[in-house]
Amino acid sequence: NAGVTQTPKFQVLKTGQSMTLQCAQDMNHEYMSWYRQDPGMGLRLIHYSVGAGITDQGEVPNGYNVSRSTTEDFPLRLLSAAPSQTSVYFCASTELRQQDYTFGSGTRLTVV
Amino acid sequence: KQEVTQIPAALSVPEGENLVLNCSFTDSAIYNLQWFRQDPGKGLTSLLLIQSSQREQTSGRLNASLDKSSGRSTLYIAASQPGDSATYLCAVEGYALNFGKGTSLLVTP
Repeated sequence: NAGVTQTPKFQVLKTGQSMTLQCAQDMNHEYMSWYRQDPGMGLRLIHYSVGAGITDQGEVPNGYNVSRSTTEDFPLRLLSAAPSQTSVYFCASTELRQQDYTFGSGTRLTVV
Repeated sequence: KQEVTQIPAALSVPEGENLVLNCSFTDSAIYNLQWFRQDPGKGLTSLLLIQSSQREQTSGRLNASLDKSSGRSTLYIAASQPGDSATYLCAVEGYALNFGKGTSLLVTP
Protein backbone atom coordinates (compact mmCIF):
# COMPACT_ATOMS: atom_id res chain seq x y z
CA ASN A 1 0.00 0.00 0.00
CA ALA A 2 1.27 3.46 -0.90
CA GLY A 3 2.06 5.66 2.03
CA VAL A 4 4.62 6.65 4.65
CA THR A 5 6.27 3.84 6.59
CA GLN A 6 7.99 4.45 9.91
CA THR A 7 10.14 1.96 11.79
CA PRO A 8 10.37 0.98 14.56
CA LYS A 9 6.94 1.54 16.10
CA PHE A 10 8.29 1.42 19.65
CA GLN A 11 11.78 1.88 21.08
CA VAL A 12 13.33 2.20 24.52
CA LEU A 13 16.78 3.77 24.75
CA LYS A 14 19.17 4.45 27.56
CA THR A 15 20.46 7.97 28.05
CA GLY A 16 23.45 8.57 25.80
CA GLN A 17 22.61 5.90 23.24
CA SER A 18 22.18 6.77 19.59
CA MET A 19 19.66 5.46 17.12
CA THR A 20 18.01 6.15 13.77
CA LEU A 21 14.29 6.43 13.17
CA GLN A 22 13.46 5.32 9.67
CA CYS A 23 10.95 6.97 7.35
CA ALA A 24 10.20 5.84 3.79
CA GLN A 25 7.54 6.89 1.29
CA ASP A 26 6.65 5.37 -2.06
CA MET A 27 4.60 8.22 -3.50
CA ASN A 28 7.54 10.08 -5.10
CA HIS A 29 6.90 13.04 -2.80
CA GLU A 30 9.55 15.74 -2.84
CA TYR A 31 8.75 17.24 0.56
CA MET A 32 9.32 15.28 3.78
CA SER A 33 9.36 16.35 7.39
CA TRP A 34 9.72 15.08 10.96
CA TYR A 35 7.56 16.14 13.90
CA ARG A 36 7.48 15.26 17.56
CA GLN A 37 4.28 15.18 19.56
CA ASP A 38 4.29 15.81 23.30
CA PRO A 39 1.35 16.16 25.70
CA GLY A 40 0.29 19.80 26.00
CA MET A 41 2.76 20.90 23.29
CA GLY A 42 1.12 19.64 20.13
CA LEU A 43 3.16 18.67 17.09
CA ARG A 44 6.42 20.52 16.57
CA LEU A 45 8.62 20.48 13.48
CA ILE A 46 12.11 19.02 13.93
CA HIS A 47 13.61 18.99 10.41
CA TYR A 48 12.31 19.06 6.88
CA SER A 49 13.50 18.44 3.33
CA VAL A 50 12.26 19.87 0.02
CA GLY A 51 14.11 17.28 -2.06
CA ALA A 52 17.04 14.89 -2.22
CA GLY A 53 20.19 16.51 -0.88
CA ILE A 54 18.35 19.42 0.77
CA THR A 55 17.47 19.60 4.46
CA ASP A 56 16.65 22.40 6.87
CA GLN A 57 15.93 22.90 10.55
CA GLY A 58 12.51 23.31 12.05
CA GLU A 59 11.39 24.59 15.42
CA VAL A 60 13.14 22.01 17.66
CA PRO A 61 16.22 20.62 15.80
CA ASN A 62 18.71 20.33 18.68
CA GLY A 63 19.88 16.77 19.32
CA TYR A 64 18.68 15.49 15.95
CA ASN A 65 20.31 15.04 12.55
CA VAL A 66 18.77 14.23 9.19
CA SER A 67 19.92 13.45 5.68
CA ARG A 68 18.10 12.98 2.36
CA SER A 69 20.16 10.92 -0.03
CA THR A 70 17.13 9.62 -1.95
CA THR A 71 13.63 10.90 -2.63
CA GLU A 72 12.12 7.93 -0.78
CA ASP A 73 13.97 7.98 2.55
CA PHE A 74 14.35 10.57 5.29
CA PRO A 75 15.95 9.07 8.43
CA LEU A 76 16.09 10.94 11.74
CA ARG A 77 19.17 10.35 13.90
CA LEU A 78 19.36 10.88 17.63
CA LEU A 79 23.01 11.48 18.40
CA SER A 80 23.00 11.03 22.19
CA ALA A 81 19.53 10.31 23.55
CA ALA A 82 18.23 12.33 26.49
CA PRO A 83 15.07 11.83 28.58
CA SER A 84 13.73 15.09 27.07
CA GLN A 85 13.57 13.29 23.73
CA THR A 86 10.94 10.91 25.03
CA SER A 87 8.10 11.55 22.61
CA VAL A 88 6.07 10.25 19.69
CA TYR A 89 7.75 10.98 16.37
CA PHE A 90 5.86 11.38 13.12
CA CYS A 91 7.18 11.55 9.60
CA ALA A 92 5.12 13.27 6.88
CA SER A 93 5.36 13.80 3.15
CA THR A 94 3.63 15.76 0.43
CA GLU A 95 4.08 16.12 -3.31
CA LEU A 96 4.41 19.88 -3.18
CA ARG A 97 2.91 22.86 -1.47
CA GLN A 98 -0.86 23.15 -1.27
CA GLN A 99 -1.36 19.42 -1.37
CA ASP A 100 -2.41 16.87 1.22
CA TYR A 101 0.19 15.78 3.72
CA THR A 102 0.44 12.05 4.44
CA PHE A 103 1.64 11.00 7.88
CA GLY A 104 3.25 7.80 9.05
CA SER A 105 1.84 5.87 12.01
CA GLY A 106 4.53 7.15 14.37
CA THR A 107 7.40 5.89 16.51
CA ARG A 108 6.93 5.96 20.28
CA LEU A 109 10.35 6.56 21.86
CA THR A 110 11.16 6.34 25.54
CA VAL A 111 14.57 7.40 26.86
CA VAL A 112 15.40 6.17 30.37
CA LYS B 1 6.14 33.02 14.23
CA GLN B 2 2.83 31.47 13.25
CA GLU B 3 0.62 30.66 16.23
CA VAL B 4 -2.32 28.31 15.78
CA THR B 5 -5.02 28.13 18.44
CA GLN B 6 -7.90 25.69 18.68
CA ILE B 7 -11.00 26.24 20.75
CA PRO B 8 -12.41 24.44 22.64
CA ALA B 9 -9.66 22.16 23.95
CA ALA B 10 -12.24 19.49 24.76
CA LEU B 11 -15.86 18.93 23.87
CA SER B 12 -18.45 16.34 24.88
CA VAL B 13 -21.75 16.12 23.01
CA PRO B 14 -24.61 13.61 22.72
CA GLU B 15 -24.95 11.66 19.52
CA GLY B 16 -26.81 13.47 16.74
CA GLU B 17 -25.72 16.99 17.58
CA ASN B 18 -24.20 19.32 15.03
CA LEU B 19 -20.98 20.88 16.26
CA VAL B 20 -18.34 23.43 15.34
CA LEU B 21 -14.62 23.32 16.06
CA ASN B 22 -12.66 26.54 15.82
CA CYS B 23 -9.13 27.28 14.65
CA SER B 24 -7.38 30.66 14.54
CA PHE B 25 -3.96 31.63 13.23
CA THR B 26 -1.87 34.77 13.53
CA ASP B 27 -0.20 35.05 10.10
CA SER B 28 -2.51 35.11 7.08
CA ALA B 29 0.34 34.36 4.62
CA ILE B 30 -0.44 30.66 4.36
CA TYR B 31 -0.42 28.17 1.48
CA ASN B 32 -3.29 26.11 2.83
CA LEU B 33 -5.08 24.89 5.94
CA GLN B 34 -5.61 21.24 6.70
CA TRP B 35 -7.81 19.47 9.25
CA PHE B 36 -6.68 16.12 10.63
CA ARG B 37 -8.18 13.50 12.87
CA GLN B 38 -6.08 11.55 15.39
CA ASP B 39 -7.35 8.53 17.29
CA PRO B 40 -5.64 7.62 20.59
CA GLY B 41 -2.22 6.11 20.01
CA LYS B 42 -2.54 6.44 16.26
CA GLY B 43 -1.24 8.62 13.45
CA LEU B 44 -2.90 11.54 11.72
CA THR B 45 -5.59 11.11 9.10
CA SER B 46 -6.24 13.98 6.71
CA LEU B 47 -9.88 15.09 6.68
CA LEU B 48 -10.03 18.24 4.59
CA LEU B 49 -7.56 20.48 2.79
CA ILE B 50 -8.47 24.10 1.99
CA GLN B 51 -6.09 25.85 -0.35
CA SER B 52 -5.40 29.54 0.28
CA SER B 53 -7.58 30.64 -2.66
CA GLN B 54 -10.57 28.59 -1.47
CA ARG B 55 -13.22 29.44 1.12
CA GLU B 56 -14.50 25.98 2.06
CA GLN B 57 -14.34 22.27 1.47
CA THR B 58 -16.87 19.53 2.14
CA SER B 59 -16.58 15.79 2.63
CA GLY B 60 -19.63 13.87 3.72
CA ARG B 61 -20.77 15.21 7.10
CA LEU B 62 -17.73 17.47 7.38
CA ASN B 63 -17.48 21.05 6.16
CA ALA B 64 -14.49 23.29 6.71
CA SER B 65 -14.32 27.01 6.02
CA LEU B 66 -11.37 29.37 5.74
CA ASP B 67 -11.26 33.13 6.21
CA LYS B 68 -7.65 34.17 5.66
CA SER B 69 -8.26 37.86 6.32
CA SER B 70 -9.50 37.19 9.84
CA GLY B 71 -7.19 34.24 10.45
CA ARG B 72 -9.97 31.77 11.17
CA SER B 73 -11.19 28.35 10.14
CA THR B 74 -14.10 26.28 11.36
CA LEU B 75 -14.79 22.57 11.06
CA TYR B 76 -18.49 21.75 11.09
CA ILE B 77 -19.53 18.18 11.88
CA ALA B 78 -23.16 17.36 11.13
CA ALA B 79 -25.16 14.71 12.96
CA SER B 80 -22.29 13.58 15.16
CA GLN B 81 -21.75 9.86 15.85
CA PRO B 82 -19.78 8.00 18.56
CA GLY B 83 -17.29 7.02 15.85
CA ASP B 84 -16.42 10.71 15.46
CA SER B 85 -14.79 10.65 18.91
CA ALA B 86 -11.14 11.61 18.38
CA THR B 87 -8.79 14.56 18.56
CA TYR B 88 -9.15 17.04 15.70
CA LEU B 89 -6.08 18.99 14.67
CA CYS B 90 -5.89 22.14 12.59
CA ALA B 91 -2.66 22.89 10.70
CA VAL B 92 -1.65 25.82 8.52
CA GLU B 93 1.09 25.54 5.94
CA GLY B 94 3.86 28.09 5.68
CA TYR B 95 7.28 26.53 4.97
CA ALA B 96 5.90 23.54 6.91
CA LEU B 97 2.76 22.63 8.82
CA ASN B 98 2.10 24.56 12.02
CA PHE B 99 -0.33 22.71 14.27
CA GLY B 100 -2.78 23.76 16.91
CA LYS B 101 -2.96 21.66 20.07
CA GLY B 102 -6.22 20.08 19.01
CA THR B 103 -9.80 19.66 20.18
CA SER B 104 -10.58 16.40 21.94
CA LEU B 105 -14.11 15.36 20.95
CA LEU B 106 -16.25 12.80 22.75
CA VAL B 107 -19.61 11.86 21.24
CA THR B 108 -21.74 9.88 23.69
CA PRO B 109 -24.45 7.42 22.61
